[in-house]
Amino acid sequence: KQEVTQIPAALSVPEGENLVLNCSFTDSAIYNLQWFRQDPGKGLTSLLLIQSSQREQTSGRLNASLDKSSGRSTLYIAASQPGDSATYLCAVTRETSGSRLTFGEGTQLTVNP
Amino acid sequence: DTEVTQTPKHLVMGMTNKKSLKCEQHMGHRAMYWYKQKAKKPPELMFVYSYEKLSINESVPSRFSPECPNSSLLNLHLHALQPEDSALYLCASSQGSMLTNQPQHFGDGTRLSIL
Repeated sequence: KQEVTQIPAALSVPEGENLVLNCSFTDSAIYNLQWFRQDPGKGLTSLLLIQSSQREQTSGRLNASLDKSSGRSTLYIAASQPGDSATYLCAVTRETSGSRLTFGEGTQLTVNP
Repeated sequence: DTEVTQTPKHLVMGMTNKKSLKCEQHMGHRAMYWYKQKAKKPPELMFVYSYEKLSINESVPSRFSPECPNSSLLNLHLHALQPEDSALYLCASSQGSMLTNQPQHFGDGTRLSIL
């Protein structure tokens, strides 16, 4: 059974700091990995999707990397801003599970002005 | 603004009531999903519709009844719910339900409270 773990569970940083969120998964037979953002009381916003054959994806101040063999992904946020405060979730799609997303528990990020 | 629209945003109902949650998307996506999310927990998949046919039911109790009238609409009919069913119900859509490298797009959810 695929398990996805995110560390840390919560993170508080001052504005402007660069930060890294971690995601690990137990079954390396994944099809892709996605990073989502969720604001309180809202739905999920897809940030980045990395295919299993890719090593990283970038969008603006966000960079996500994937090391499939070691079962790890990181989300790097450069020059953090208070507006980045949210819960960040990673989710994997297994090769044998079609469209099922297996989510981690999330990292709650607070960026202080 | 999300491209997946869910109504209502909030719903309070008694355990004997019948209500429905609605979800709509106009992105031409052919797969639609229902998720349940409890506080401080990640979403849990409930149902998947592919080309308007139910393809996945994650052993959801029969008091939840999904319906996909057409490719743009997804309903979740609720009947005789329990207090533990109180949660945020999220709808999502994607271009296809089989292996795909297209992300799922989520609505903002319906906050459901069972009295």
